[in-house]
Amino acid sequence: DTGVSQNPRHKITKRGQNVTFRCDPISEHNRLYWYRQTLGQGPEFLTYFQNEAQLEKSRLLSDRFSAERPKGSFSTLEIQRTEQGDSAMYLCASSSPRDLSSYNEQFFGPGTRLTVL
Amino acid sequence: KNEVEQSPQNLTAQEGEFITINCSYSVGISALHWLQQHPGGGIVSLFMLSSGKKKHGRLIATINIQEKHSSLHITASHPRDSAVYICAGSQGAQKLVFGQGTRLTINP
Repeated sequence: DTGVSQNPRHKITKRGQNVTFRCDPISEHNRLYWYRQTLGQGPEFLTYFQNEAQLEKSRLLSDRFSAERPKGSFSTLEIQRTEQGDSAMYLCASSSPRDLSSYNEQFFGPGTRLTVL
Repeated sequence: KNEVEQSPQNLTAQEGEFITINCSYSVGISALHWLQQHPGGGIVSLFMLSSGKKKHGRLIATINIQEKHSSLHITASHPRDSAVYICAGSQGAQKLVFGQGTRLTINP
């Protein structure tokens, strides 16, 4: 257990439905990342937050995807009008860099596996 | 072309063998990470390195900055080492760019 939790662990939904995932990072970590991993591939970056500010979004994050971190603690990732291509593992990670220009280890949550039927 | 390339994609070995997984990366990667992912999805960070060599137990990671190449070695491999090993590069200070992963199976 890395200290990062994600809920739910599994989600099965029908195409066209909306889904929301939650990530609770390690409490003192100010940076939070979302990644997506499809079967047999490495994770791909989606977006990240520094405290409550969303600083970068991948072009993978279409307008059906939105992420928030309203109080700089937990984060939510919402997918609207889900498509079968959205089926993947959605991973959250957190870290605590000294400053914006430094980088350090990310701690990953267990992921939320989404299946869109 | 991916910014981080790993080889091999799959590796099967017998218990006790010395294992090497290779990673090549492109310009713009400032640090290199080795991660371990077990079935079910959980990812654990093994090493982060920007130069030289690091060792933790039976795991050794090396990096050659000039050649933009890193290797992960496992000595005296054991079936519990079976997992997917992922190489990832820090791009700037903001995010990780991942390789495709190497699925390692160690048979008893």
